[in-house]
Amino acid sequence: KAGVTQTPRYLIKTRGQQVTLSCSPISGHRSVSWYQQTPGQGLQFLFEYFSETQRNKGNFPGRFSGRQFSNSRSEMNVSTLELGDSALYLCASSSRVQYGELFFGEGSRLTVL
Amino acid sequence: KNEVEQSPQNLTAQEGEFITINCSYSVGISALHWLQQHPGGGIVSLFMLSSGKKKHGRLIATINIQEKHSSLHITASHPRDSAVYICAVRSTGTASKLTFGTGTRLQVTL
Repeated sequence: KAGVTQTPRYLIKTRGQQVTLSCSPISGHRSVSWYQQTPGQGLQFLFEYFSETQRNKGNFPGRFSGRQFSNSRSEMNVSTLELGDSALYLCASSSRVQYGELFFGEGSRLTVL
Repeated sequence: KNEVEQSPQNLTAQEGEFITINCSYSVGISALHWLQQHPGGGIVSLFMLSSGKKKHGRLIATINIQEKHSSLHITASHPRDSAVYICAVRSTGTASKLTFGTGTRLQVTL
């Protein structure tokens, strides 16, 4: 059974640009959540989707957005990139929202110059 | 005060030692996760608990809902256990989300 796949794994952008990250969950999982990890703030929740509906959003500015498609694949977008957006972005999939075991992807490491 | 507190922040142990990592939280939860992260970034879920105790190989996780506390134990530690261990809680309610502890960096030496 294939794991959670995140693309791209590494990317470098400049301030003001936008970026789109993709996450393909484990087959059959309908819940996808996104997290940002930085050395200073640790892991922080970005958003969570279940069956194409955003269930919850973390405390991030509106520049951070996401969506989920009918095949459960999810994308997140960050517009008008800032230096502080440099981070490892992780997604996790689960078969259930509240009580589901989480399966993480390897992450997308974004560097903003 | 953070909603999820872990201790210790750093831990060095010799191979074979028994290790305990603690997690305290201040919110109502539906589940608590213990995660392992090796250098390079990949995160692996070790346990998901909503009550009681779970065991997998040399790892044991317990949770006390009344005291809002969980522990992760590693018996007979090995250098391959060296990693960052992260506690995360799923809060209850309509704004349910996952909140993470700051992690415990474990190094097991020969």
